[in-house]
Amino acid sequence: DTGVSQNPRHKITKRGQNVTFRCDPISEHNRLYWYRQTLGQGPEFLTYFQNEAQLEKSRLLSDRFSAERPKGSFSTLEIQRTEQGDSAMYLCASAPTQPGELFFGEGSRLTVL
Amino acid sequence: GEDVEQSLFLSVREGDSSVINCTYTDSSSTYLYWYKQEPGAGLQLLTYIFSNMDMKQDQRLTVLLNKKDKHLSLRIADTQTGDSAIYFCAGNNAGNMLTFGGGTRLMVKP
Repeated sequence: DTGVSQNPRHKITKRGQNVTFRCDPISEHNRLYWYRQTLGQGPEFLTYFQNEAQLEKSRLLSDRFSAERPKGSFSTLEIQRTEQGDSAMYLCASAPTQPGELFFGEGSRLTVL
Repeated sequence: GEDVEQSLFLSVREGDSSVINCTYTDSSSTYLYWYKQEPGAGLQLLTYIFSNMDMKQDQRLTVLLNKKDKHLSLRIADTQTGDSAIYFCAGNNAGNMLTFGGGTRLMVKP
């Protein structure tokens, strides 16, 4: 499978716990994006990387959210001290440098109890 | 920031054409996209159009762009039950960050 891969697909956690999601982009894509989608809404942009550089992070929802892409390949999105309002689908997408095609993974669904 | 609006719901009969409409506010978007999402799944890229184009056709899909009115539409010819899903339009900005509409739920009746 050469598409965007996300793990885990579903995470159930208790309020206050930390969670981490991983995204493996399409191998030749150097741009990687994180979005959040709540029920009945369109995806909402969170942050993006070009190679290992995080070029936009002002839309991360709070300082409890952080993302890394240490070697310019896979990326992780961490949510610390989860709250029930963090329950959502977290989507990763990748793209080549030039604008155009942007491909999404299947998403990681977070449920905070 | 950009605002993207879509109607919530569309119902058509199998074999008819479906037209899903979208309006956006950011005239600097260079690409406009249509994605399809089935229940519990991620977003599938259907097609996209460069902002200097008026129309793009890809098999059963036709995208029309009216840049003056900032209006985008997706026409699905010969709609099938397998086309039932939520359809999202999106516009890009610098860095190719996309702003999505709220989605249009397409229901295809046999």
